[in-house]
This record gives sequence, C-alpha cells and structure tokens, in this order.
Amino acid sequence: DTAVSQTPKYLVTQMGNDKSIKCEQNLGHDTMYWYKQDSKKFLKIMFSYNNKELIINETVPNRFSPKSPDKAHLNLHINSLELGDSAVYFCASSQDRGVGTGELFFGEGSRLTVL
Amino acid sequence: SQKIEQNSEALNIQEGKTATLTCNYTNYSPAYLQWYRQDPGRGPVFLLLIRENEKEKRKERLKVTFDTTLKQSLFHITASQPADSATYLCALRPDSWGKLQFGAGTQVVVTP
Repeated sequence: DTAVSQTPKYLVTQMGNDKSIKCEQNLGHDTMYWYKQDSKKFLKIMFSYNNKELIINETVPNRFSPKSPDKAHLNLHINSLELGDSAVYFCASSQDRGVGTGELFFGEGSRLTVL
Repeated sequence: SQKIEQNSEALNIQEGKTATLTCNYTNYSPAYLQWYRQDPGRGPVFLLLIRENEKEKRKERLKVTFDTTLKQSLFHITASQPADSATYLCALRPDSWGKLQFGAGTQVVVTP
C-alpha cells in the first residue's frame, strides 16, 4: 500500500488553464504539506495543513489554493497557469507537530509542464 | 536570512570508498537536522535525524555528525555501493513546530 499517493503523476497543459493535483495519505498523520521542486532541484515549502487547518502559507501566488477536505487528503488547485509554474509538486505528511521526529513522508511527485 | 548550503557539485566516488557530504547553515538554531535521499523521478525518503544535543548518529553504513558551533552537519556513506547513487538532502526544523526547510542537495555517483 502506498503511504502517500498523489495524482496525476504527469500533467501537461497550456498557459492560462486551471488544474488540480490530489494527495492522499494512509499513515494516520495529522499534518500534510505541499512542496515545489524547481528545475534546480530546490524543494520549497508552499503550504501545510494540520487537521484540516492551514498552518503554513508561504509567499505563494494566490492562484494556488490548497484544500483539505479531511486530514487524510490535501489537494492543490492552480488557476491561470503560467510558464513559471512548471515544476514537480510533492505532497508529504508527518506526525502531529511536537510528536515524534517530524520526519516527512513524501509522495512520488506530480510533474507539471505548462506550455 | 536563513540559509542551508550543500555542495552543488556532484560527488563522484569509487565503490568501496567513503563519501562525505556537507550541510552548512546560517541564522538557524535548529532543534534537529534530517537527511533524506532522493532518486531521480521519486520523492525524498527520510534516512536519519540528529538532535542538537547529539554529536553523532549511525544507521548501517550511514553516519551523521552535527556540530552546532560550526553550524555544520556531515553525512558519511561508508563502503559505498553503486546503489547509493542518488541526491542527498539535508533539512532543518527549528523545533517540532517549525517548517522543515531543505538544502538543494548533493548528487552522489558511485562507480564500480
């Protein structure tokens, strides 16, 4: 069973379109994250949710809107896609804050290409 | 501003030798530091965590040191194997409540 799964794995779309990436974790974790990895392989945090509540919101364009329907799911919707949004987006989860080692469990990534 | 620096140049090493990677940080007082491995096209996978009051941690052929005075962590792969070829990322969290920030990673290539 995949611990953190995200779909789709690949996404190719035109500029200006709207797209969504879905993420689910079956680890029972309370905290989920979206990270963006650009062409230079630098992983940058975008958002974090703890028990459906937004706790980290980095300086990300408001075209990006996360949504957590329950603590096992965290989706990312992107409006009006731009060329610079092309990257690999990783979903991750961790134990509740303050508990355990805080290690992150990552999904396999969703590679977004904007043409 | 807070910074995490890893050697951006790939580390090429012969099988059987020890690979040593460096992670330097500035303007952090981390409670602990983590190391991850990332293979091409895959998500990072957690390897080791070392706390601020620990000098050294080992896991099989991996060894991590943490020097809070130098603001540096070293990651060693002993008796390296071609299967160890990957990118290794260090990550810092100021405390259990803070966000985990990653370095850019160092690619390791182990040749037979």
